[in-house]
Amino acid sequence: ETGVTQTPRHLVMGMTNKKSLKCEQHLGHNAMYWYKQSAKKPLELMFVYNFKEQTENNSVPSRFSPECPNSSHLFLHLHTLQPEDSALYLCASSQEGGGAYEQYFGPGTRLTVT
Amino acid sequence: QKEVEQDPGPLSVPEGAIVSLNCTYSNSAFQYFMWYRQYSRKGPELLMYTYSSGNKEDGRFTAQVDKSSKYISLFIRDSQPSDSATYLCAIGAGTYKYIFGTGTRLKVLA
Repeated sequence: ETGVTQTPRHLVMGMTNKKSLKCEQHLGHNAMYWYKQSAKKPLELMFVYNFKEQTENNSVPSRFSPECPNSSHLFLHLHTLQPEDSALYLCASSQEGGGAYEQYFGPGTRLTVT
Repeated sequence: QKEVEQDPGPLSVPEGAIVSLNCTYSNSAFQYFMWYRQYSRKGPELLMYTYSSGNKEDGRFTAQVDKSSKYISLFIRDSQPSDSATYLCAIGAGTYKYIFGTGTRLKVLA
């Protein structure tokens, strides 16, 4: 596997379900991100992790819960979601601290909340 | 004022045309600029990365930065139907901070 991988690619869940999204980066980067992408809106940053420590939480509702067990893996735990949470959820990684800024994305998980 | 603005399109061009995609930004301190291509229902793919002003070329793609005007462009020469996608401009604004445009949807007609 190369780059940034995400599973599952598609997820349909009811409002009372609990599910998790998984992301893995194979680039040796030290930072990982969760973004939400909705139609006709810019990417919305949700969470940032650096070396397993959360550095940003952009006022995301508590029904989204991130977990970063190590610098290569990132999870997004979902529970009691709302229909407006239906979107493409993107994981990204970058190598911070070297003075350059490049971010690489996974293919995304298309989430539908029914 | 938004930190980065991008015309959402859609932009339709005939095959073989030169395509110009543009973004403006508000903060003259920004120095790192990226262009992503995103196919329908896929994640953004990093196409080009530039630092400071000037041009950078990669095959049919040229990224241009005009810092005096706070304007960044992506040119696609000899456009192909396979170039049909949404193109996102992005700025590396600091540690962990990336600012994205809304994306321009491009359709290249065969």
